[in-house]
Amino acid sequence: GEDVEQSLFLSVREGDSSVINCTYTDSSSTYLYWYKQEPGAGLQLLTYIFSNMDMKQDQRLTVLLNKKDKHLSLRIADTQTGDSAIYFCAERSDYKLSFGAGTTVTVRA
Amino acid sequence: GAGVSQTPSNKVTEKGKYVELRCDPISGHTALYWYRQSLGQGPEFLIYFQGTGAADDSGLPNDRFFAVRPEGSVSTLKIQRTERGDSAVYLCASSPDSGGYNEQFFGPGTRLTVL
Repeated sequence: GEDVEQSLFLSVREGDSSVINCTYTDSSSTYLYWYKQEPGAGLQLLTYIFSNMDMKQDQRLTVLLNKKDKHLSLRIADTQTGDSAIYFCAERSDYKLSFGAGTTVTVRA
Repeated sequence: GAGVSQTPSNKVTEKGKYVELRCDPISGHTALYWYRQSLGQGPEFLIYFQGTGAADDSGLPNDRFFAVRPEGSVSTLKIQRTERGDSAVYLCASSPDSGGYNEQFFGPGTRLTVL
């Protein structure tokens, strides 16, 4: 079965970089995702990476994938107060998404 | 355009009652998913529809849970004889199909509280 793990909390100073880490278990995952959840709002897809890539950059977001270690990370450059949210890592097998428990990111001034 | 909508946004019920949760997917999306998110956890897959048929209901916890999508658009998740452990946020998502990177667009969820 799938099991996605991530650290629960991250506190970062405004303007610094945030790095959120995730490990997954399903080696057949085709895509891996980062979703953002803000209070009272639905899950929003931030970015994704195909399993045959090892890096993807999208503006302030950088995703690194180490397929050998089944490790995924999300780096947010120049973290802003609007980045405070819960971030979920998810792996996909076929059509099904398996999510981690989420990392609560708190941005302090 | 309109996103995925779910009604009601909140539902409080008593143990043993029957509830229905509704999902309106994005127009034209053939794939529809239900997930359940318990407090402090990530969403867990419940069921997947492709068109009108449930292609995979392996995530439904037991036979008290059932979902339908009779016309391939709106879906209803039905829970019989609710238990306190059913309390969670029920999320619906839709996608154009299930191929490619398959971005699933999530609704805001229905928060179910069973007293």
